[in-house]
Amino acid sequence: DIQMTQSPSSLSASVGDRVTITCRASQSISSYLNWYQQEPGKAPKLLIYAASSLQSGVPSRFSGSGSGTDFTLTISSLQPEDFATYYCQQSYTTPYTFGQGTKLEIK
Amino acid sequence: QVQLQQWGAGLLKPSETLSLTCAVYGGSFSGYSWNWIRQPPGKGLEWIGEINHSGSTNYNPSLKSRITISVDTSKNQFSLKVRSVTAADTAVYYCARLEDSPGGYYFDYWGQGTLVTVSS
Repeated sequence: DIQMTQSPSSLSASVGDRVTITCRASQSISSYLNWYQQEPGKAPKLLIYAASSLQSGVPSRFSGSGSGTDFTLTISSLQPEDFATYYCQQSYTTPYTFGQGTKLEIK
Repeated sequence: QVQLQQWGAGLLKPSETLSLTCAVYGGSFSGYSWNWIRQPPGKGLEWIGEINHSGSTNYNPSLKSRITISVDTSKNQFSLKVRSVTAADTAVYYCARLEDSPGGYYFDYWGQGTLVTVSS
């Protein structure tokens, strides 16, 4: 299985901050990398697909980059509704696998 | 607007069979892969498996011996069965649609989730 490792596991930040979350794959996955946001008690929500494509309806403050094994999710200016847990996921091959999550908390 | 609505028993005893169903409303049922994903309390996400409209399946090897995913195209529904459950199968189970675009594959629509607890 392809292992996905996110860093950091948790992050404290303030409204208006720029935040970057990193995801590393155990082997090259080209650009088959997606990012999800999960609020407590809710299903994950797709933010970014194919490493850098913004899902329809997602605010432009979210952006993704990377290819191969190293990827980043950036939130340019944190809003109150962005405090949640974020997961990366590879779709290069099955079994599809997710990172362990990054919990973004209010400082 | 695509909606996935799921249901099934929420409390099981060890060795019983978990059974969940997901109904798809809106959009096309064929042409997509339909998936099950689970999340143990306080933990991360684990892909369980997928099925397409013709019934072809693909399972996570870690669960393959105990799971069956089936489809009922007449009702736009798909189902998950997990046999011989243990406490380790306690999780929120989600159904999700896998979109296959030129850019890749991604889960774009999700069910609301069903908490399944295994306890004696």
